[in-house]
Amino acid sequence: NAGVMQNPRHLVRRRGQEARLRCSPMKGHSHVYWYRQLPEEGLKFMVYLQKENIIDESGMPKERFSAEFPKEGPSILRIQQVVRGDSAAYFCASSPGGRDGYTFGSGTRLTVV
Amino acid sequence: RKEVEQDPGPFNVPEGATVAFNCTYSNSASQSFFWYRQDCRKEPKLLMSVYSSGNEDGRFTAQLNRASQYISLLIRDSKLSDSATYLCVVNSGSSNTGKLIFGQGTTLQVKP
Repeated sequence: NAGVMQNPRHLVRRRGQEARLRCSPMKGHSHVYWYRQLPEEGLKFMVYLQKENIIDESGMPKERFSAEFPKEGPSILRIQQVVRGDSAAYFCASSPGGRDGYTFGSGTRLTVV
Repeated sequence: RKEVEQDPGPFNVPEGATVAFNCTYSNSASQSFFWYRQDCRKEPKLLMSVYSSGNEDGRFTAQLNRASQYISLLIRDSKLSDSATYLCVVNSGSSNTGKLIFGQGTTLQVKP
């Protein structure tokens, strides 16, 4: 049973380009969460999704950021027109719901140059 | 006020020491509590859930005080491999399903 799979592990983008980060949850998990960790800071919640639905996007920046979890395929976190301040580690987690904690993927390290 | 507050440390202790971390949370409706461990900016890994009755897993003991909105983690007989950042984690509301809020983390360095 593979864990939470994120790709790519490292992503370099020039300012103004788009970044697409992918996350496949653990088998049997229908809840997906995205977190961002800036250098020297803690994990900040971004968005919570279930299949085809955004449940809570209270942590998403109002512009340039979007997320989806389609019926088929991985969850995608999309950042348009990236800026230097978007450089961070982006972690995806999944859970089956209920009282269980999350399982995290290895993260995508985004560097904007 | 932060939703989850931890002393960032660092805590520098010798091998074999007992060390305790504390955490407070602001949302009295929270239902789920956890300690996670994060090594060198890798992904966080679940260390243990925290229950009202307190729970123990080997050298690790976690306790919850709902009245004071306070969570603790005790590590006995510290090992070098315990060196990491320990994250206090609380769910955001009255439902067990929903976003988890992470504290800033407490850094532990165990020295020989």
